[in-house]
Amino acid sequence: NAGVMQNPRHLVRRRGQEARLRCSPVKGHSHVYWYRQLPEEGLKFMVYLQKENIIDESGMPKERFSAEFPKEGPSILRIQQVVRGDSAAYFCASSPGEATQYFGPGTRLLVL
Amino acid sequence: AQSVAQPEDQVNVAEGNPLTVKCTYSVSGNPYLFWYVQYPNRGLQFLLKYITGDNLVKGSYGFEAEFNKSQTSFHLKKPSALVSDSALYFCAVRDTDSSASKIIFGSGTRLSIRP
Repeated sequence: NAGVMQNPRHLVRRRGQEARLRCSPVKGHSHVYWYRQLPEEGLKFMVYLQKENIIDESGMPKERFSAEFPKEGPSILRIQQVVRGDSAAYFCASSPGEATQYFGPGTRLLVL
Repeated sequence: AQSVAQPEDQVNVAEGNPLTVKCTYSVSGNPYLFWYVQYPNRGLQFLLKYITGDNLVKGSYGFEAEFNKSQTSFHLKKPSALVSDSALYFCAVRDTDSSASKIIFGSGTRLSIRP
Protein backbone atom coordinates (compact mmCIF):
# COMPACT_ATOMS: atom_id res chain seq x y z
CA ASN A 1 0.00 0.00 0.00
CA ALA A 2 1.40 3.32 -1.03
CA GLY A 3 1.20 6.10 1.50
CA VAL A 4 0.72 9.77 0.76
CA MET A 5 3.00 10.83 -2.07
CA GLN A 6 4.28 14.33 -2.54
CA ASN A 7 6.37 15.75 -5.34
CA PRO A 8 8.70 17.27 -5.79
CA ARG A 9 10.50 16.62 -2.53
CA HIS A 10 12.61 19.73 -3.01
CA LEU A 11 11.74 22.79 -5.06
CA VAL A 12 13.85 25.87 -5.68
CA ARG A 13 12.26 28.97 -7.12
CA ARG A 14 13.36 32.55 -7.67
CA ARG A 15 11.26 35.39 -6.33
CA GLY A 16 8.27 36.05 -8.59
CA GLN A 17 8.05 32.54 -10.02
CA GLU A 18 5.24 30.08 -9.44
CA ALA A 19 5.52 27.01 -7.23
CA ARG A 20 3.29 24.03 -7.81
CA LEU A 21 3.22 21.28 -5.18
CA ARG A 22 1.51 17.96 -5.78
CA CYS A 23 -0.04 15.50 -3.37
CA SER A 24 -1.41 12.07 -4.14
CA PRO A 25 -3.44 10.80 -1.17
CA VAL A 26 -3.61 7.24 0.04
CA LYS A 27 -5.73 5.25 -2.39
CA GLY A 28 -9.35 5.53 -1.34
CA HIS A 29 -8.86 8.63 0.80
CA SER A 30 -11.12 11.48 -0.24
CA HIS A 31 -9.97 14.09 2.28
CA VAL A 32 -6.77 16.07 1.78
CA TYR A 33 -5.14 18.64 4.04
CA TRP A 34 -2.22 20.98 3.45
CA TYR A 35 0.06 22.28 6.22
CA ARG A 36 3.07 24.57 6.28
CA GLN A 37 6.01 24.16 8.63
CA LEU A 38 8.65 26.80 9.12
CA PRO A 39 12.07 25.70 10.47
CA GLU A 40 11.91 24.68 14.12
CA GLU A 41 8.19 25.40 14.27
CA GLY A 42 4.99 23.41 14.38
CA LEU A 43 2.54 22.73 11.61
CA LYS A 44 0.14 25.41 10.53
CA PHE A 45 -3.10 24.32 8.89
CA MET A 46 -3.66 25.83 5.48
CA VAL A 47 -6.56 24.16 3.72
CA TYR A 48 -8.85 21.13 3.82
CA LEU A 49 -10.28 19.72 0.61
CA GLN A 50 -12.51 16.93 -0.48
CA LYS A 51 -12.84 15.87 -4.08
CA GLU A 52 -13.57 19.00 -6.13
CA ASN A 53 -14.46 21.02 -3.03
CA ILE A 54 -12.65 23.31 -0.64
CA ILE A 55 -14.07 22.64 2.82
CA ASP A 56 -11.95 24.93 4.98
CA GLU A 57 -9.37 27.40 3.71
CA SER A 58 -9.12 29.46 6.87
CA GLY A 59 -5.36 28.98 7.05
CA MET A 60 -4.60 30.00 3.49
CA PRO A 61 -3.13 33.43 2.80
CA LYS A 62 -5.71 35.47 0.91
CA GLU A 63 -3.41 36.25 -1.98
CA ARG A 64 -1.10 34.20 -4.18
CA PHE A 65 -2.06 30.84 -2.65
CA SER A 66 -4.63 28.44 -4.08
CA ALA A 67 -5.42 24.75 -3.77
CA GLU A 68 -7.45 22.23 -5.66
CA PHE A 69 -8.31 18.55 -5.47
CA PRO A 70 -9.80 17.58 -8.82
CA LYS A 71 -11.94 14.57 -9.49
CA GLU A 72 -9.02 12.90 -11.18
CA GLY A 73 -5.38 13.39 -10.29
CA PRO A 74 -3.46 14.76 -7.35
CA SER A 75 -4.22 17.69 -5.13
CA ILE A 76 -2.27 20.80 -6.11
CA LEU A 77 -1.10 23.64 -3.89
CA ARG A 78 -0.13 26.60 -6.05
CA ILE A 79 1.86 29.59 -4.88
CA GLN A 80 2.08 32.44 -7.36
CA GLN A 81 4.79 35.11 -7.36
CA VAL A 82 6.73 33.44 -4.57
CA VAL A 83 8.59 35.53 -1.99
CA ARG A 84 11.39 34.51 0.35
CA GLY A 85 8.92 34.19 3.23
CA ASP A 86 7.23 31.32 1.39
CA SER A 87 10.30 29.16 2.01
CA ALA A 88 9.09 26.31 4.20
CA ALA A 89 8.20 22.65 4.24
CA TYR A 90 4.73 21.96 2.93
CA PHE A 91 3.06 18.78 4.09
CA CYS A 92 0.02 17.06 2.71
CA ALA A 93 -2.10 14.63 4.70
CA SER A 94 -5.03 12.46 3.73
CA SER A 95 -7.76 10.62 5.56
CA PRO A 96 -10.65 8.38 4.55
CA GLY A 97 -13.06 10.55 6.48
CA GLU A 98 -12.26 9.23 9.93
CA ALA A 99 -10.13 11.20 12.33
CA THR A 100 -6.61 9.98 11.65
CA GLN A 101 -4.58 11.85 9.05
CA TYR A 102 -1.63 10.26 7.31
CA PHE A 103 1.16 12.54 6.20
CA GLY A 104 3.34 12.65 3.14
CA PRO A 105 7.10 13.27 3.26
CA GLY A 106 6.68 16.94 2.44
CA THR A 107 7.96 19.35 -0.19
CA ARG A 108 10.72 21.69 0.88
CA LEU A 109 10.41 24.96 -0.97
CA LEU A 110 13.34 27.32 -1.13
CA VAL A 111 12.84 30.76 -2.62
CA LEU A 112 16.02 32.49 -3.70
CA ALA B 1 -12.43 27.22 19.53
CA GLN B 2 -10.17 24.25 19.89
CA SER B 3 -6.56 24.56 20.93
CA VAL B 4 -3.69 22.41 22.09
CA ALA B 5 -0.65 23.29 24.18
CA GLN B 6 2.70 21.61 24.58
CA PRO B 7 4.29 23.52 27.45
CA GLU B 8 7.81 22.16 26.98
CA ASP B 9 9.90 23.07 23.95
CA GLN B 10 12.45 20.41 24.86
CA VAL B 11 12.60 17.36 27.07
CA ASN B 12 15.92 15.70 27.94
CA VAL B 13 16.00 12.16 29.29
CA ALA B 14 18.73 9.59 29.87
CA GLU B 15 18.45 6.34 27.94
CA GLY B 16 16.58 3.72 29.92
CA ASN B 17 14.68 6.24 32.02
CA PRO B 18 10.94 6.85 31.69
CA LEU B 19 9.85 9.81 29.59
CA THR B 20 6.81 12.06 29.56
CA VAL B 21 5.90 14.65 26.95
CA LYS B 22 3.08 16.89 28.10
CA CYS B 23 -0.01 17.99 26.20
CA THR B 24 -3.15 19.84 27.26
CA TYR B 25 -6.10 20.72 25.09
CA SER B 26 -9.24 22.79 24.93
CA VAL B 27 -12.36 21.89 22.95
CA SER B 28 -16.03 22.72 23.25
CA GLY B 29 -17.16 19.12 22.84
CA ASN B 30 -15.46 15.77 23.08
CA PRO B 31 -11.93 15.52 21.74
CA TYR B 32 -10.16 13.26 19.36
CA LEU B 33 -6.51 13.34 20.45
CA PHE B 34 -3.39 12.33 18.56
CA TRP B 35 0.35 12.06 18.89
CA TYR B 36 2.67 12.26 15.91
CA VAL B 37 6.46 12.03 15.68
CA GLN B 38 8.69 13.78 13.17
CA TYR B 39 12.26 12.72 12.44
CA PRO B 40 14.63 15.18 10.74
CA ASN B 41 13.68 16.06 7.16
CA ARG B 42 10.75 13.67 7.27
CA GLY B 43 6.97 13.90 7.41
CA LEU B 44 4.90 13.22 10.48
CA GLN B 45 4.33 9.65 11.55
CA PHE B 46 1.18 8.68 13.42
CA LEU B 47 1.90 7.24 16.88
CA LEU B 48 -1.45 6.82 18.59
CA LYS B 49 -4.89 8.30 19.06
CA TYR B 50 -7.68 8.53 21.60
CA ILE B 51 -11.22 8.47 20.27
CA THR B 52 -13.22 6.78 23.01
CA GLY B 53 -12.92 3.90 25.44
CA ASP B 54 -9.94 3.17 27.67
CA ASN B 55 -8.15 6.25 28.88
CA LEU B 56 -4.76 4.57 28.42
CA VAL B 57 -3.92 4.26 24.74
CA LYS B 58 -1.01 2.18 23.47
CA GLY B 59 0.72 3.05 20.25
CA SER B 60 3.75 2.45 18.10
CA TYR B 61 7.34 1.98 19.33
CA GLY B 62 6.27 1.29 22.92
CA PHE B 63 4.65 4.68 23.45
CA GLU B 64 1.41 5.19 25.33
CA ALA B 65 -0.72 8.15 26.30
CA GLU B 66 -3.25 8.72 29.02
CA PHE B 67 -6.41 10.72 28.41
CA ASN B 68 -7.39 12.69 31.50
CA LYS B 69 -10.67 14.49 30.99
CA SER B 70 -10.68 16.39 34.27
CA GLN B 71 -7.21 17.81 33.60
CA THR B 72 -7.81 18.09 29.84
CA SER B 73 -4.48 16.39 29.25
CA PHE B 74 -3.09 13.71 26.96
CA HIS B 75 0.52 13.19 28.02
CA LEU B 76 2.75 10.89 26.00
CA LYS B 77 4.76 8.35 27.96
CA LYS B 78 7.27 5.56 27.54
CA PRO B 79 8.63 3.41 30.39
CA SER B 80 12.18 3.18 29.04
CA ALA B 81 13.57 5.69 26.56
CA LEU B 82 15.81 4.79 23.63
CA VAL B 83 18.30 7.07 21.89
CA SER B 84 16.35 6.41 18.69
CA ASP B 85 13.29 8.06 20.29
CA SER B 86 15.01 11.42 19.85
CA ALA B 87 12.72 13.42 17.55
CA LEU B 88 10.09 16.14 17.44
CA TYR B 89 6.73 15.16 18.92
CA PHE B 90 3.42 16.81 18.12
CA CYS B 91 0.16 16.55 20.02
CA ALA B 92 -3.02 17.28 18.05
CA VAL B 93 -6.71 17.63 18.76
CA ARG B 94 -9.93 17.60 16.81
CA ASP B 95 -13.21 18.78 18.27
CA THR B 96 -15.82 16.11 17.53
CA ASP B 97 -18.55 18.72 17.84
CA SER B 98 -17.13 20.52 14.86
CA SER B 99 -18.48 19.73 11.44
CA ALA B 100 -15.04 20.19 9.91
CA SER B 101 -12.23 17.69 10.14
CA LYS B 102 -9.54 20.24 10.90
CA ILE B 103 -6.97 18.99 13.37
CA ILE B 104 -5.03 21.53 15.40
CA PHE B 105 -1.40 20.74 16.16
CA GLY B 106 0.64 21.83 19.13
CA SER B 107 3.91 23.66 18.68
CA GLY B 108 5.93 20.51 19.18
CA THR B 109 8.31 19.18 21.84
CA ARG B 110 11.83 18.14 20.96
CA LEU B 111 12.74 14.96 22.80
CA SER B 112 16.44 14.33 23.29
CA ILE B 113 17.59 11.00 24.71
CA ARG B 114 21.21 10.91 25.86
CA PRO B 115 23.12 7.62 25.93
